[in-house]
Formats: sequence, structure tokens, C-alpha cells
Amino acid sequence: ETGVTQSPTHLIKTRGQQVTLRCSSQSGHNTVSWYQQALGQGPQFIFQYYREEENGRGNFPPRFSGLQFPNYSSELNVNALELDDSALYLCASRARDSLNYGYTFGSGTRLTVV
Amino acid sequence: AQTVTQSQPEMSVQEAETVTLSCTYDTSENNYYLFWYKQPPSRQMILVIRQEAYKQQNATENRFSVNFQKAAKSFSLKISDSQLGDTAMYFCAFRMNRDDKIIFGKGTRLHILP
Repeated sequence: ETGVTQSPTHLIKTRGQQVTLRCSSQSGHNTVSWYQQALGQGPQFIFQYYREEENGRGNFPPRFSGLQFPNYSSELNVNALELDDSALYLCASRARDSLNYGYTFGSGTRLTVV
Repeated sequence: AQTVTQSQPEMSVQEAETVTLSCTYDTSENNYYLFWYKQPPSRQMILVIRQEAYKQQNATENRFSVNFQKAAKSFSLKISDSQLGDTAMYFCAFRMNRDDKIIFGKGTRLHILP
């Protein structure tokens, strides 16, 4: 059973709209990262949050933003959706002091922009 | 910039055979981690094996082992006694010690045939 839950599993949005994707991490996992996985590609790092603050960002525009909450849940928000935003969005979390440097990933949200 | 290259887009082997997936990477860093992740149709990214760059000994996890050649920047995954459940996308990935961002290759789609 995965310790990271993402919702919704699938979503269809229209170009120009805004979307919020949600992630619920395991208790104690205070570091969360979001990745975008386009079809046929490997995941690409969007950003990371630690203790509710962004502390790392990949090559994504500001219309990609996030929030992390004290209850180990987090959100990815995307404004002004573009067709190229269609992808699988993965959330991954770990405890900051974990000796296991492999993140626990969720099963993702499949976003389709039409 | 760090890059990860997987030169085999797709592979097929018979059940119980041994298969090796190739991966090369490029970095000027000396301290980093390398990973192999498995992504089955359920879409969840599952950690298969992890290698610390400072360790010369190759990592092993049951039927999974790696051949880590630091000077050549090569990190291949060997799956012994392959099983039908090994059918999945396999991603080679890299992470620097000082950074939580994981850089993924484009993946190898592995089919285990009955």
C-alpha cells in the first residue's frame, strides 16, 4: 500500500483554466517534491517543499505554484493551462532526516488539457 | 548540468532469463546517488535499487544488481531470473548529495514474455 495518495487520478481541463492537484504524504514526511512526466518521457522536477516553504525549483514558469500544509498534504497549482501541460503529475515525499534517499512516490494525476 | 541517458527504449526477454538495462550519466559532481526506479502500469514510481557514488561495491537487492562504473559514468541494472511482474518502465535516475532534485532518464520499457 502506497504511503502517498494523489487526487484526482484523472482530470480534463480546458486551455486557459486553472487546476489544483492534491497529494497526501505519509506522517513524518516533511519534504515533498512534484514532478511532471510527459508521455514517453522521464519525470521532470517542478519544485520541492520543506516545512511549508519552497526550497528548490526546476525549469518551470511561475504559473506552476505549490503549497504544503502541516498535516503532510500538499498542492500543485497550475494557472493559465496550456496544451503542453498535459502530463502525469507525480508527488513524492520523504522524511528529511531519512537515511533512505529514495522518495516514496504516488500514482500520479493524469492531466489532459484540451 | 547533469544528464541521464538510457539508450534502450524497449527490450523483451523470456521469463527466467537475465536482462541488463543500460544507463550512462554526466556530472562534474563527486558526491551523488544513483537509482533505478520501476514504473508499472499502476504509474507509481517504485525504487528498485540505490547506489551511493562513494561506495565501490555494487548494490544488490535480491534479483536486482547494478554494475556501477564511476570513471565511465555508467550504471547498468541486471535483473536475474526475470519474472512476469518485472514488466514495466525502468528509469535510471541521479541525485546530488546537496540537492533533493532527482534527474531521470527517458526510460526503458521492459517486457517479460511467458
